Amino acid sequence: KNQVEQSPQSLIILEGKNCTLQCNYTVSPFSNLRWYKQDTGRGPVSLTIMTFSENTKSNGRYTATLDADTKQSSLHITASQLSDSASYICVVRGGNQGGKLIFGQGTELSVKP
Amino acid sequence: GAVVSQHPSWVICKSGTSVKIECRSLDFQATTMFWYRQFPKQSLMLMATSNEGSKATYEQGVEKDKFLINHASLTLSTLTVTSAHPEDSSFYICSARASSLRPNEKLFFGSGTQLSVL
Repeated sequence: KNQVEQSPQSLIILEGKNCTLQCNYTVSPFSNLRWYKQDTGRGPVSLTIMTFSENTKSNGRYTATLDADTKQSSLHITASQLSDSASYICVVRGGNQGGKLIFGQGTELSVKP
Repeated sequence: GAVVSQHPSWVICKSGTSVKIECRSLDFQATTMFWYRQFPKQSLMLMATSNEGSKATYEQGVEKDKFLINHASLTLSTLTVTSAHPEDSSFYICSARASSLRPNEKLFFGSGTQLSVL
């Protein structure tokens, strides 16, 4: 069964600290992996999109890594800010025709002052 | 960047009434639009995929007669929740993609609609 598992479920960090969120998937065949940030009561906003040939991609203070062999991805947030408090969702697109998006449950990040 | 506008952002309605939610792509033509629902603390669940000018494709378990989707133009898709019941209360989100032929195409999400059925 195609699945996307994220860890931890929730995380509390102090402002200015770094953190890393994990995403493991079993989706096969694989097309791409996306990380989204979703503020409470809002739609998700894209942070990164990576294909199997990309190992890392950065977007400001966000750096995503992908290991297509082990089917693992991480999202590293550097020098966290209060505005980083949100749910971070890992989404994998299958490589089959029609390529559905499979959403992880998300990691709820709370950045405290 | 591309913007997807979703309206209304929240709606409260009585049980048995119908509610229409609009999703517009403001600066690009969306050949494909998706509708999701999201319960508190849970991930997005795809309800249906709509391509402009054709019938929507519904996910298993989603009632097509209850959740009417119309994608009449390249910039507008609507979701109508018919005869709404309290269990339909949820956060509904649309997303739009410019081209169905490019799997890495960015997907732009609307801001969501919180539906509360009394």
